[in-house]
Amino acid sequence: NAGVTQTPKFQVLKTGQSMTLQCAQDMNHEYMSWYRQDPGMGLRLIHYSVGAGITDQGEVPNGYNVSRSTTEDFPLRLLSAAPSQTSVYFCASSRGPRTVNYGYTFGSGTRLTVV
Amino acid sequence: DAKTTQPPSMDCAEGRAANLPCNHSTISGNEYVYWYRQIHSQGPQYIIHGLKNNETNEMASLIITEDRKSSTLILPHATLRDTAVYYCIVRVATTGANSKLTFGKGITLSVRP
Repeated sequence: NAGVTQTPKFQVLKTGQSMTLQCAQDMNHEYMSWYRQDPGMGLRLIHYSVGAGITDQGEVPNGYNVSRSTTEDFPLRLLSAAPSQTSVYFCASSRGPRTVNYGYTFGSGTRLTVV
Repeated sequence: DAKTTQPPSMDCAEGRAANLPCNHSTISGNEYVYWYRQIHSQGPQYIIHGLKNNETNEMASLIITEDRKSSTLILPHATLRDTAVYYCIVRVATTGANSKLTFGKGITLSVRP
């Protein structure tokens, strides 16, 4: 099993450009989510999904869109990149939400720089 | 979800036990305690979780006090590869949509040779 796969690993964008961060999992997990991590801070939830066709906002959703057309994929779209979106982005999945007795599996991250 | 408090950092010698504390005095009866760690530049890694009983797996042990207001993660024989930021998270056990994790700043464990 590959687990949670994120692509690309590194990306540099110019202000105003758009892009999609890819996240795929092969564990048949219902729950998927996106976090961002800024220097010296913990992880902050951007968006999450409890199953195909269902998404919801986390604590820092502005400037990002998501969709969940399949169980396996949960892409994160930056609509118009801003320097404030320079961060490391992590995708995570879990068997939850109905099964709380499992941990989350995280991807290795996408390091995004907006110039 | 209940808030957690962890000291910012601690260190221990390689081969010794590392005991990482966490306070969660406002924890409610249906909230679990989870521990994750993040090794530099990598994604967080799940370690262990528990409700009220002590738990052990191949990575660590989790000791939860009887009143559930605090817990300790124990790495029995710390190695240099255990140097990481460790996050203690309290998460509501719900069958609804709210299954997100709330990460604080965690505790930085430094294992010295």
